Amino acid sequence: AQSVTQPDIHITVSEGASLELRCNYSYGATPYLFWYVQSPGQGLQLLLKYFSGDTLVQGIKGFEAEFKRSQSSFNLRKPSVHWSDAAEYFCAVVLYGGSQGNLIFGKGTKLSVKP
Amino acid sequence: GAGVSQSPSNKVTEKGKDVELRCDPISGHTALYWYRQSLGQGLEFLIYFQGNSAPDKSGLPSDRFSAERTGGSVSTLTIQRTQQEDSAVYLCASSLYLNTEAFFGQGTRLTVV
Repeated sequence: AQSVTQPDIHITVSEGASLELRCNYSYGATPYLFWYVQSPGQGLQLLLKYFSGDTLVQGIKGFEAEFKRSQSSFNLRKPSVHWSDAAEYFCAVVLYGGSQGNLIFGKGTKLSVKP
Repeated sequence: GAGVSQSPSNKVTEKGKDVELRCDPISGHTALYWYRQSLGQGLEFLIYFQGNSAPDKSGLPSDRFSAERTGGSVSTLTIQRTQQEDSAVYLCASSLYLNTEAFFGQGTRLTVV
């Protein structure tokens, strides 16, 4: 079955430290890949997306993600975390050209930032 | 509009009552999606529309749930005879075409008491 896995439920990092949030997907073909962020009480905001081409994609707020086909992964990274990055992060995929018209989301990773 | 708009933002209803949740997608977006977000359950896909049609309704949790979209724009998610387990945040999203990036509304927080 098609699925998206975010292995880390909760991560705490110190402000200024680097961050990597993991995402693995299970699909027969390369899907479109997304990372969304949700601040408390807010909707989801798109951070970045990968459709094709360069496997390292840049997003908003200083985030980047790297698509690795061999590992079926699309990990999110940020070199230096800010306190305002504390939120929940969701990886999502959609299968291009598939009959399934919806984004499949991972369970999310909650990020806490300590001073 | 500039973004996806959902109304109401909060809804408290008594068990057994019907509720209607509204979604105004971004103008020109052909695809519209409904998701449910429950505490600890992540984002659960409910239904999507391509234009006014919903090809796959299998994500709806029960036959108490229904959705429609008219004029290729506004969508309404209706929950009949609400139950406490229906309490959740209901998120709507739209995208220009199917399978392109989706933009989300702020959600409707439904509480069934």
